[in-house]
Amino acid sequence: GESVGLHLPTLSVQEGDNSIINCAYSNSASDYFIWYKQESGKGPQFIIDIRSNMDKRQGQRVTVLLNKTVKHLSLQIAATQPGDSAVYFCAENSGGSNYKLTFGKGTLLTVNP
Amino acid sequence: KAGVTQTPRYLIKTRGQQVTLSCSPISGHRSVSWYQQTPGQGLQFLFEYFSETQRNKGNFPGRFSGRQFSNSRSEMNVSTLELGDSALYLCASSFPKDEQFFGPGTRLTVL
Repeated sequence: GESVGLHLPTLSVQEGDNSIINCAYSNSASDYFIWYKQESGKGPQFIIDIRSNMDKRQGQRVTVLLNKTVKHLSLQIAATQPGDSAVYFCAENSGGSNYKLTFGKGTLLTVNP
Repeated sequence: KAGVTQTPRYLIKTRGQQVTLSCSPISGHRSVSWYQQTPGQGLQFLFEYFSETQRNKGNFPGRFSGRQFSNSRSEMNVSTLELGDSALYLCASSFPKDEQFFGPGTRLTVL
């Protein structure tokens, strides 16, 4: 039969607001997690990563939180800008190698001016 | 520093044909990973090459193959193309650090 496209969760925010994008990962053995941003027509762009020995890591305007107890990852974007509009993916090294990533389905972030 | 480059950017083939895609990693990077992105399945890992050896492999049929050259450039080949192979093929380079940096992808359409 015809394949059905992934139904992406969407998040719509106002410019200047903070955004929180959530991700449930699949493998409790995963110990390396990454957030990517993908704009239309482009490849995924690395945002920030975190290892399982940490529960929080901050970058420029972004913070990643890791909760291993419930296998949950979140990306917080401060003062969201229109240029942040994109699909955001979380990824994990569920295959045991940091070079073999398993990606989540993605979240579409729309920033309204 | 130049980013990951992929050629060609767009490709149209017919069922049964084969195709070769090329990826040039960031200078100094020795690992190249390939991913397939489709609306139905999302981003899926194909394989990873390091020092001309396939180090990791995803769950794709044997029609999908790859190789890496001594300068770390990589190619992937898909033989006997099927309609379902239509996708965006992405490569990512890394190492020695773990962060994978992606190229813009090759959009393959199989008719």
